[in-house]
Amino acid sequence: DTGVSQNPRHKITKRGQNVTFRCDPISEHNRLYWYRQTLGQGPEFLTYFQNEAQLEKSRLLSDRFSAERPKGSFSTLEIQRTEQGDSAMYLCASSLTKVKETQYFGPGTRLLVL
Amino acid sequence: AQKITQTQPGMFVQEKEAVTLDCTYDTSDPSYGLFWYKQPSSGEMIFLIYQGSYDQQNATEGRYSLNFQKARKSANLVISASQLGDSAMYFCAMRQPRGYSTLTFGKGTMLLVSP
Repeated sequence: DTGVSQNPRHKITKRGQNVTFRCDPISEHNRLYWYRQTLGQGPEFLTYFQNEAQLEKSRLLSDRFSAERPKGSFSTLEIQRTEQGDSAMYLCASSLTKVKETQYFGPGTRLLVL
Repeated sequence: AQKITQTQPGMFVQEKEAVTLDCTYDTSDPSYGLFWYKQPSSGEMIFLIYQGSYDQQNATEGRYSLNFQKARKSANLVISASQLGDSAMYFCAMRQPRGYSTLTFGKGTMLLVSP
């Protein structure tokens, strides 16, 4: 049983560049979440998909951020015109609709914007 | 708005001892779920234990147990027989059924286990 995977694990980019991260959830999970975690803080919710539909977006998700889950399987998170404040760990989680609905997290992508 | 508070930035414990990590929460919804996650230095969030607001008994998972006091709105994690590998950040999180079940996390507690 494979867990949630994320690629790349690390990304260093220059300010103004675009970056894209990928998340592969646990295969039977229909819900997928993106979170952002900055140093010394807990993860903060960014956006949520149920199957291929993006159902909720946080106010943290500025216009420079876009997320997709085209076939209800993997998801991508793109950041355009990166800023130094975008430097963070980006975590993806997936869950199956049921009573507990435990979210299982991937290893995250660490982004550093120079 | 829901809120999670973890007041202990760091905790020290000796190997084989028990340790309690504190978590208080604030919500007006009677139905909610509480989670604890472990985050080692590698960064991955590892699910440890879950407590539903209507669960009659405190949750237990191996060496982890949750001291759930609903009236006090606290959900403390108890780790028994600490091991060196328990050294990590620990996060308490809450999920509400309204909306889309996103999690709200506390700031975390760093646990260091010494030999």
